[in-house]
Amino acid sequence: QVRLKESGPRLVQPSQTLSVTCTVSGFSVTSYHVSWVRQPPGKGLEWVGAIWKGGSTDYNSALKSRLSISRDTSKNQVFLKMNSLQTDDTGTYYCAKHQLGAGVMDAWGQGASVTVSS
Amino acid sequence: DIQMTQSPASLSASLGETVTIECRASEDIYNGLAWYQQKPGKSPQLLIYNANSLHTGVPSRFSGSGSGTQYSLKINSLQSEDVASYFCQQYYDYLWTFGGGTKLELK
Repeated sequence: QVRLKESGPRLVQPSQTLSVTCTVSGFSVTSYHVSWVRQPPGKGLEWVGAIWKGGSTDYNSALKSRLSISRDTSKNQVFLKMNSLQTDDTGTYYCAKHQLGAGVMDAWGQGASVTVSS
Repeated sequence: DIQMTQSPASLSASLGETVTIECRASEDIYNGLAWYQQKPGKSPQLLIYNANSLHTGVPSRFSGSGSGTQYSLKINSLQSEDVASYFCQQYYDYLWTFGGGTKLELK
């Protein structure tokens, strides 16, 4: 059974770095792409970035300078790091598995709720 | 970036009714479109991909159609469990972008 689970801090101070871990089971991160998508409270979805099954990454151009996505294949984990956080980075951060070779995300984690506040 | 415009932003319908949600792309996305359902407090779930292909396990009352820049999601015979927000997403071109969402409520 495919599962993804995000873990990370609930509260981050402005200007600090957010670190969220996505632990997956039921598939290998070396066989499927994994994306990060975020959602501000009460608003829509924004694609943040992805790590391809081969290990390369792509980022939303609006966030690229602040982002890093990596993985640990031995633990089947994907990591999101975003620095210089501001209050409008508050929201839920989801990791999602892609269908083979497509931009379609066919399984999502429960999400990690993050508040940026002092 | 390809902009995705969804309409309506909110919708109220009765049980058993047929509902249609529209999504318009700022340029041709060649059927590279997915629809997701997000129930309150839950994560999004894939309903439709390639504009009209039903994801595994999704009830057949959901269907997708369209081409070029205009796409739609239809829900036949609305059920109470369909109360949710619905988002379209284009994946034809980077960066992948979502519509603003449609919140569906029961009348």
